Amino acid sequence: KQEVTQIPAALSVPEGENLVLNCSFTDSAIYNLQWFRQDPGKGLTSLLLIQSSQREQTSGRLNASLDKSSGRSTLYIAASQPGDSATYLCAVRPEQGGSEKLVFGKGMKLTVNP
Amino acid sequence: SAVISQKPSRDICQRGTSLTIQCQVDSQVTMMFWYRQQPGQSLTLIATANQGSEATYESGFVIDKFPISRPNLTFSTLTVSNMSPEDSSIYLCSVRTGSVYGYTFGSGTRLTVV
Repeated sequence: KQEVTQIPAALSVPEGENLVLNCSFTDSAIYNLQWFRQDPGKGLTSLLLIQSSQREQTSGRLNASLDKSSGRSTLYIAASQPGDSATYLCAVRPEQGGSEKLVFGKGMKLTVNP
Repeated sequence: SAVISQKPSRDICQRGTSLTIQCQVDSQVTMMFWYRQQPGQSLTLIATANQGSEATYESGFVIDKFPISRPNLTFSTLTVSNMSPEDSSIYLCSVRTGSVYGYTFGSGTRLTVV
């Protein structure tokens, strides 16, 4: 059974720091991995999608990497800003049986202090 | 990518009543997905809704409790029936978008049962 873990559960940093958010998954048989952002009480905003054949994806100040064999992904946020404060979720789409069920981590709550 | 309009955004309901959540997509999609996010927990898939057929429910979720309709390729509803305080959660709909198999989520419905 695929399990996704995000550690730590929360992080508080001063503005301007470069951040690394971690995601690990137990089964390397995945189609892709997606990072999302969730603001309090809201839905999910997709940040980056990495296919299983890719090593990384970049969008603005965000860079996500994928090491499928070791079951790890990292989301790098450059020059963090107070507006980056949110919960960050990673999710994998398992390969088995063509399932479209995403398996999510519990998320990491980020607070960027001005 | 697709844009999803989900409503209501939040509601407070009495136990024993039912609430219907609607999701409208701005393009035709084959499958729509309904997730639940309980407080402090990761998102869990409730069911997958295909147009013209019965929804497929995940283990632990049943049609009597979470009936789903999918009348066309752009719309779906999820009903939470005979609610109890344990049903207090954020409910989200999702669709797969584009050729890269990423997923887009609605803005969520925050349900509180009292």
